[in-house]
Amino acid sequence: GENVEQHPSTLSVQEGDSAVIKCTYSDSASNYFPWYKQELGKRPQLIIDIRSNVGEKKDQRIAVTLNKTAKHFSLHITETQPEDSAVYFCAASRGAGKSTFGDGTTLTVKP
Amino acid sequence: EAQVTQNPRYLITVTGKKLTVTCSQNMNHEYMSWYRQDPGLGLRQIYYSMNVEVTDKGDVPEGYKVSRKEKRNFPLILESPSPNQTSLYFCASSLGAKNIQYFGAGTRLSVL
Repeated sequence: GENVEQHPSTLSVQEGDSAVIKCTYSDSASNYFPWYKQELGKRPQLIIDIRSNVGEKKDQRIAVTLNKTAKHFSLHITETQPEDSAVYFCAASRGAGKSTFGDGTTLTVKP
Repeated sequence: EAQVTQNPRYLITVTGKKLTVTCSQNMNHEYMSWYRQDPGLGLRQIYYSMNVEVTDKGDVPEGYKVSRKEKRNFPLILESPSPNQTSLYFCASSLGAKNIQYFGAGTRLSVL
């Protein structure tokens, strides 16, 4: 089955700096890669996703890049703010229902 | 308001006592899924459903059952709960498997 590894498990940055979280996946048939943000005590919420026919996608301060050959994808957050502090999860899916998540990255943005 | 509703939000039970966690969505979504979340292990998929009467196992299905008799409902059944099923459970739904998943608020289950 699919295996998703996410790094780092914790990340601390100064406000205004950039943050990068990386995920690798094992199933070359995976073609959908969402990223979720989970604030403390809340439910996960999608922040950005990318499909395998696209190499990069950007939404304001958030971007995701995908390297299908190397089977890895990354989340980039620029100009970080304290409200970006949360746990971030990557996931990989074939689109046929099964979805595998990474173990999460706890991002702390220091004011 | 578009939402995924889980009940109950909190549940304490004892080993072996059958329980059901309900999940309902009002967005006419075809895809629904159950996850459990444990510290350091992220979200692990238990079961998913692509449509009515179509369900399949995720990565950790042992000890769980589901049913999808109606499009809006996807209950999670623990026939004989054990302490290792103590966890935070999330239900999610989406238009399809490659669309945004909307999560319920979660059900915190403790099995004593």
